[in-house]
Amino acid sequence: ETGVTQSPTHLIKTRGQQVTLRCSSQSGHNTVSWYQQALGQGPQFIFQYYREEENGRGNFPPRFSGLQFPNYSSELNVNALELDDSALYLCASSPGDPGSYEQYFGPGTRLTVT
Amino acid sequence: AQSVTQLGSHVSVSEGALVLLRCNYSSSVPPYLFWYVQYPNQGLQLLLKYTTGATLVKGINGFEAEFKKSETSFHLTKPSAHMSDAAEYFCAVSASAFGNEKLTFGTGTRLTIIP
Repeated sequence: ETGVTQSPTHLIKTRGQQVTLRCSSQSGHNTVSWYQQALGQGPQFIFQYYREEENGRGNFPPRFSGLQFPNYSSELNVNALELDDSALYLCASSPGDPGSYEQYFGPGTRLTVT
Repeated sequence: AQSVTQLGSHVSVSEGALVLLRCNYSSSVPPYLFWYVQYPNQGLQLLLKYTTGATLVKGINGFEAEFKKSETSFHLTKPSAHMSDAAEYFCAVSASAFGNEKLTFGTGTRLTIIP
């Protein structure tokens, strides 16, 4: 069973720019969630996708958007980057079946906004 | 709404001593509770989880946690600390609704092991 992978590992962007982060989920995992982990904090839920549809969103503005593809990959897009967007971005995938509540996390993408 | 409070942002224990990391939760529905570990520059690894059934849950690396509904707690313990246990530990809670596996995390506890 393959793990969850994320790319790139590190990224530096300038305030106002746009960024796309990528996640490749485990085969058969039709639910993917994205989290933002600021330095010294716990991860915060951004949103979840289930079978390519958004299925829940945390307290993040619309400039955070996502996509999920049939091949179990997904993207997190952030527009108009702000300094506070600097964080580790984690994706997590799960089978999404009843009775299964475990999520498998990727290693994260560290985004620095200058 | 769900929330998690982790008491103690930093905990130091001697190698071989008992590890106790505290977690209290708030949930309006029966909670599903998790402990994750994060090593430097890495993602999150599941240590253990409570869903239903036995309230004492055993996980990987010798860790265990006990779900106490009356105290709304889910503290993590390990009888004898090892140097490799040094990491950040996160407690998390999830609602039980199908398709909604959003995890709400605490702010984490950094565990330091003293040789």
